[in-house]
Amino acid sequence: DGGITQSPKYLFRKEGQNVTLSCEQNLNHDAMYWYRQDPGQGLRLIYYSQIVNDFQKGDIAEGYSVSREKKESFPLTVTSAQKNPTAFYLCASTTSGAGELFFGEGSRLTVL
Amino acid sequence: GENVEQHPSTLSVQEGDSAVIKCTYSDSASNYFPWYKQELGKRPQLIIDIRSNVGEKKDQRIAVTLNKTAKHFSLHITETQPEDSAVYFCAASKAGYALNFGKGTSLLVTP
Repeated sequence: DGGITQSPKYLFRKEGQNVTLSCEQNLNHDAMYWYRQDPGQGLRLIYYSQIVNDFQKGDIAEGYSVSREKKESFPLTVTSAQKNPTAFYLCASTTSGAGELFFGEGSRLTVL
Repeated sequence: GENVEQHPSTLSVQEGDSAVIKCTYSDSASNYFPWYKQELGKRPQLIIDIRSNVGEKKDQRIAVTLNKTAKHFSLHITETQPEDSAVYFCAASKAGYALNFGKGTSLLVTP
């Protein structure tokens, strides 16, 4: 089945630790995105990548890092510099240009 | 950058009534306006979208209207059903840029 897969679904982290969220797609999409979802805040853009080995910061990139070494993969690292990392993280992909975003099921990160 | 405002934040209607959600955007270059539905605990899914060369688009009980001059677009759901209860997000973008989302509208349809 074609789709976009995020892992893990749930993750707990102690303060001061970095954590990496995985996002893999087999839709042959060029563009991939990371959004953060908090109650009442909608979906806020963290990073996006339109092509391998290139990515751009979104509105809330501070404390996060990404890489795009393969077309299929766009991992997100939540670093210890992110002051309030507890949130629901959504990865998405689309063909190049403005079009429908396909979302993964999300990863819920809780910092203890 | 693009700023998308969405109203209302919550909306409660009785089954069979219509529901309307409105959004405004700031970047006149934006040309793609999708609407996503997110049921509790699930991923957002596209329900309808419109491009700036079109003023209105319908799909069964759902319609979207776009006013480019005023920079606003709306989602209309007719004959609402309990399964329409969800959070709805509007968004806007232009080619080569990521979607910017509104903060969402929590729609509750009561039987």
